[in-house]
Amino acid sequence: ETGVTQTPRHLVMGMTNKKSLKCEQHLGHNAMYWYKQSAKKPLELMFVYSLEERVENNSVPSRFSPECPNSSHLFLHLHTLQPEDSALYLCASSQSRQSNQPQHFGDGTRLSIL
Amino acid sequence: GEDVEQSLFLSVREGDSSVINCTYTDSSSTYLYWYKQEPGAGLQLLTYIFSNMDMKQDQRLTVLLNKKDKHLSLRIADTQTGDSAIYFCAEIAYSGAGSYQLTFGKGTKLSVIP
Repeated sequence: ETGVTQTPRHLVMGMTNKKSLKCEQHLGHNAMYWYKQSAKKPLELMFVYSLEERVENNSVPSRFSPECPNSSHLFLHLHTLQPEDSALYLCASSQSRQSNQPQHFGDGTRLSIL
Repeated sequence: GEDVEQSLFLSVREGDSSVINCTYTDSSSTYLYWYKQEPGAGLQLLTYIFSNMDMKQDQRLTVLLNKKDKHLSLRIADTQTGDSAIYFCAEIAYSGAGSYQLTFGKGTKLSVIP
């Protein structure tokens, strides 16, 4: 059982659609992360939030828009995506950005762009 | 920059021991982690070792750390078919400005032959 829950587990969308991915953590953590996992590539860190403030944005295209309304919830809003955006999107949380404690991951959302 | 290297594939027979190797470059690593990813799931924290330790044993898992050579290994004794998964090595190190950064390898796909 994971303390980080992601919904939906699978999402198929067209390039002109708008959708959102949701992540919720029940661990009392203060930092949350979005990662992209594509086939045959290392995990790519997309965004980092610490205490609801975005502290890192690793050159991610603006068609991905994160939102962190509170320390337990993280969203990734998607619009006008491209076929190369098809991937597994993983959410993670950790105690804090200033801690060397491990990150805990959700099961991901498998995104397919038609 | 930081880099974590792993071999991409490992195949072993059921009942044998598996050894997954990892090398890293950041000498300021504080913790090193092993994550397991089963098909269709997220990353599950399997075990970890603090950088001032040489070895850690946890049931069938043994982690060995050679800090001088920056080499980490994960040994799985009596490998079972349920151990088939992708194993990620990750290091966490201080990245400045009061923050820690987690760097992942590309993952080693372990296949267990019955």
